Amino acid sequence: QSALTQPPSASGSAGQSVTISCTGTSSDVGGYNYVSWYQQHPGKAPKLMIYDVSKRPSGVPDRFSGSKSGNTASLTVSGLQAEDEADYYCSSYAGSNNFGVTFGGGTKLTVL
Amino acid sequence: QVQLQESGPGLVKPSQTLSLTCTVSGGSISSADYYWSWIRQPPGKGLEWIGYIYYTGSTYYNPSLKSRVSMSLDTSKNQFSLKLSSVTVADTAVYYCARDVVAMTSCDSWGQGTLVTVSS
Repeated sequence: QSALTQPPSASGSAGQSVTISCTGTSSDVGGYNYVSWYQQHPGKAPKLMIYDVSKRPSGVPDRFSGSKSGNTASLTVSGLQAEDEADYYCSSYAGSNNFGVTFGGGTKLTVL
Repeated sequence: QVQLQESGPGLVKPSQTLSLTCTVSGGSISSADYYWSWIRQPPGKGLEWIGYIYYTGSTYYNPSLKSRVSMSLDTSKNQFSLKLSSVTVADTAVYYCARDVVAMTSCDSWGQGTLVTVSS
């Protein structure tokens, strides 16, 4: 099982937008519309921000949006705020006969 | 609002079996709407899916851990458990239990996590 590929870091100034990519294969990201994004602050449990590629759970600001093209999914954070500084992880369903669920390596988002 | 809480030894010796329990409150593990998951995170590293168990007892494990992992349910206590055998220092991690919503294919609720250190 190979982890999904994310850039190790991303940054943007407060108020700006930043996009984080998540690249997989046709067996995971490209094969299913089941990509999720999690936000994790230091010492805390992950929090679900996006599911099914582009859906937001109740309570997640609409500044967070998700999309997918082929084998690459993306998370965009608009109007960056200081509290958005965190680690972000993508995950994808990879089929019950294959690998179940696979995570990306994580991206550290810094708000300048 | 559902809450999950991990419990178990914080220190395990190499070659032994790691055993953790997740107690669920505010919701039933007998619901068909959820998978009950275990995910771990080595210190300073990323998340790794270990597997999940459904209310029927069906299990799905990470292939890289499958030979050493087992999960079970205790519906009388509303708990689910993880056992990882033949542990090594590489199994040192924060272990999270989480609720995976079938309709969302995502974990919407997580425990706070528990650090398990493998050391002699």
